[in-house]
Amino acid sequence: DAGVIQSPRHEVTEMGQEVTLRCKPISGHNSLFWYRQTMMRGLELLIYFNNNVPIDDSGMPEDRFSAKMPNASFSTLKIQPSEPRDSAVYFCASSYGGAGALFFGSGTQLSVL
Amino acid sequence: DAKTTQPPSMDCAEGRAANLPCNHSTISGNEYVYWYRQIHSQGPQYIIHGLKNNETNEMASLIITEDRKSSTLILPHATLRDTAVYYCSDPQTSGSRLTFGEGTQLTVNP
Repeated sequence: DAGVIQSPRHEVTEMGQEVTLRCKPISGHNSLFWYRQTMMRGLELLIYFNNNVPIDDSGMPEDRFSAKMPNASFSTLKIQPSEPRDSAVYFCASSYGGAGALFFGSGTQLSVL
Repeated sequence: DAKTTQPPSMDCAEGRAANLPCNHSTISGNEYVYWYRQIHSQGPQYIIHGLKNNETNEMASLIITEDRKSSTLILPHATLRDTAVYYCSDPQTSGSRLTFGEGTQLTVNP
């Protein structure tokens, strides 16, 4: 298996633009997680899905952030409009089962100018 | 949320054992302890997890105290490639909401 695949690896955009991050989880995994990492705040859980259904989105910063999982093999995290403070590395992770080990993707480095 | 505390940094000589402690005094009886590491600019990597008993795999050993309030990750023969930030973390049983603390920066020196 290729592992969790995220795209793009790097994204540079201007303030106010829409940003869409993509994630393909490991085949067979039924839980998917979006994390954000910054120097100031460390690794933060934004949202997680179980069987394609959002279970906990309490970590989503504000209404500018939205996440979808239309099927078991694809998820998106969208920021609209983007702001410089959204600059961070965004990781997607997947697991099997409610308390299984998480497998992370390589992340998307987002820079909002 | 259950909380974990770890020392911010540790050093270890190459070839020696690295023992990384974690306190999770508020962990509940059915919560697992997970360990991950993150090498600079990469995604976190799963290492090992346990509930009550000590565990060992090809990467490391995990020692959990009998009262489960702390654990130690052991890298038996540390290499330079083990230099990373190590996180101990515990998922809430109500949905695998895995959270991370600040971790321990382990530096393996030649």
